[in-house]
Amino acid sequence: KAGVTQTPRYLIKTRGQQVTLSCSPISGHRSVSWYQQTPGQGLQFLFEYFSETQRNKGNFPGRFSGRQFSNSRSEMNVSTLELGDSALYLCASSFGGQRNTEAFFGQGTRLTVV
Amino acid sequence: GESVGLHLPTLSVQEGDNSIINCAYSNSASDYFIWYKQESGKGPQFIIDIRSNMDKRQGQRVTVLLNKTVKHLSLQIAATQPGDSAVYFCAESGGSNYKLTFGKGTLLTVNP
Repeated sequence: KAGVTQTPRYLIKTRGQQVTLSCSPISGHRSVSWYQQTPGQGLQFLFEYFSETQRNKGNFPGRFSGRQFSNSRSEMNVSTLELGDSALYLCASSFGGQRNTEAFFGQGTRLTVV
Repeated sequence: GESVGLHLPTLSVQEGDNSIINCAYSNSASDYFIWYKQESGKGPQFIIDIRSNMDKRQGQRVTVLLNKTVKHLSLQIAATQPGDSAVYFCAESGGSNYKLTFGKGTLLTVNP
């Protein structure tokens, strides 16, 4: 079956702009999590959605937001982009039941802010 | 606070040798642990997971060991191959919060 799909793969944006990234989870998975990966900070949790509800949120400013649709697809938005937002943004999907289960990652979206 | 760290940032082994990658965690409430492999330009790839009610789990050529007493996790790769060269991350999660906390990663290099 198809894996986690993230679009676009690459983005270049200017400071002050906003950006929307998309993630389609594995079929049947209802939980989608987002992570930011940078060389300095590693992989950091942004937020997690299940059944269109945000269940958990990391320590990122309010400029970072997300949502999930009824088909479990998710988007994250970053407004008023800063140079430091340049990173690989990864989403992961899992079944999302009462216990943690395997989370599978997409290839990521490489965002460059100039 | 929560943290997951790795003892060694780099590991170099000869093809055919066994590799051991270590990880320390500090959150005693963590009950679920995962190892991921990340190759250049790709997202993390799930390798194996283990729950806190187990101390060992085996997969294909990989074994994960969990020592809750000292909060230590290790990944053993048998007969390491060049294709195993990648960055390996451990991650932990507590309960059902679906938030993975990742270690900084270990770069494994397999020399032919």
